[in-house]
Amino acid sequence: RKEVEQDPGPFNVPEGATVAFNCTYSNSASQSFFWYRQDCRKEPKLLMSVYSSGNEDGRFTAQLNRASQYISLLIRDSKLSDSATYLCVVNMGITDKLIFGTGTRLQVFP
Amino acid sequence: GAGVSQSPRYKVAKRGQDVALRCDPISGHVSLFWYQQALGQGPEFLTYFQNEAQLDKSGLPSDRFFAERPEGSVSTLKIQRTQQEDSAVYLCASSLLNSFSYNEQFFGPGTRLTVL
Repeated sequence: RKEVEQDPGPFNVPEGATVAFNCTYSNSASQSFFWYRQDCRKEPKLLMSVYSSGNEDGRFTAQLNRASQYISLLIRDSKLSDSATYLCVVNMGITDKLIFGTGTRLQVFP
Repeated sequence: GAGVSQSPRYKVAKRGQDVALRCDPISGHVSLFWYQQALGQGPEFLTYFQNEAQLDKSGLPSDRFFAERPEGSVSTLKIQRTQQEDSAVYLCASSLLNSFSYNEQFFGPGTRLTVL
């Protein structure tokens, strides 16, 4: 079983739609949680950190449920430019190495 | 400012050939990481340096993989006797070292290795 599991998609949504991605992690000792974005043939870039209290950055909302070991990302009012792969990431806080899920591919169409 | 750079960007190797991949981290970044990303997968951790010290090499898949960072700046990942299963994108990331909070890792563009 992979340490971080995500639905690989693809999720095909029209512009303006709301889309949600979920991910689960297996190690209850995980300390930090993130969503990274990766465009095709590009490097991953940090989209946002995820906190238990939930956090929002513009059209993006991330949530962490430690009891269920579950992380979510909600994108409202999808734009064509949101098309990318969204990687769910955890780390153990010791050496800061990142543990990635396989990624969920999002395609926003006009 | 300059980000993390990697070279070469693309490398084609014949099976059995040795390759060396270079990473130039962001100036002043103490921590350096190597990840391997196979097609359709997320990146997987290979090894971690703090300055010149290799503190974690638990992700290196075999003894054919070797990494070094002799002066605490530039790092080289070497793969000996390449196999087809080594074909992947090799990503380097660097970060500051701050004991009090998570240190964001900044990724380079990667080296795409194809082993024929």
